[in-house]
Amino acid sequence: SAVISQKPSRDICQRGTSLTIQCQVDSQVTMMFWYRQQPGQSLTLIATANQGSEATYESGFVIDKFPISRPNLTFSTLTVSNMSPEDSSIYLCSVVQSILNYEAFFGQGTRLTVV
Amino acid sequence: AQKVTQAQTEISVVEKEDVTLDCVYETRDTTYYLFWYKQPPSGELVFLIRRNSFDEQNEISGRYSWNFQKSTSSFNFTITASQVVDSAVYFCALSVRNAGNMLTFGGGTRLMVKP
Repeated sequence: SAVISQKPSRDICQRGTSLTIQCQVDSQVTMMFWYRQQPGQSLTLIATANQGSEATYESGFVIDKFPISRPNLTFSTLTVSNMSPEDSSIYLCSVVQSILNYEAFFGQGTRLTVV
Repeated sequence: AQKVTQAQTEISVVEKEDVTLDCVYETRDTTYYLFWYKQPPSGELVFLIRRNSFDEQNEISGRYSWNFQKSTSSFNFTITASQVVDSAVYFCALSVRNAGNMLTFGGGTRLMVKP
């Protein structure tokens, strides 16, 4: 399975600031996704990170708030912009190595607290 | 649209008891994948199993077993002889090939195993 390194693992941020989360994979992967898990809740897909093009966002998530980059097949970033306490969540990167052998793995997650 | 329901929000058992976590899914697609993940208190998501829609064979891995029944759209997870280390939140998830391959998660079941 792919080894996924997600940074930072946790952070406490002031409201109004932005945080960029990095997801690095040790091998090329077909698909990369970003999920959010609000406290005590399940996971919700934010967007699909597309290599070399704009991310595909789910309903309720917009590029201005959650800009995503994916410059190559092993790396992606998610920025949480102009943060408010409601953005306090765990953010998780997920990868699928091959759609033929579809297994989705997750990074360790970034636990974000906005004060 | 896809939907996953985990009716049990919280289960408490005593160590060595068997426990079954229920998962019911909805999709109109014939090609899909079902997953179970474990989320311990540390927050990372640990991949447990993937099952594709064409493979209804039940699977056993040590103390874990999974029962996939297309007739009832269920993919239940049983832990035999539970241990304290099994305490975690367990998520069932669904991925549909024709819907971008992202995961739709159930609400999760918090399992507490008491010594």
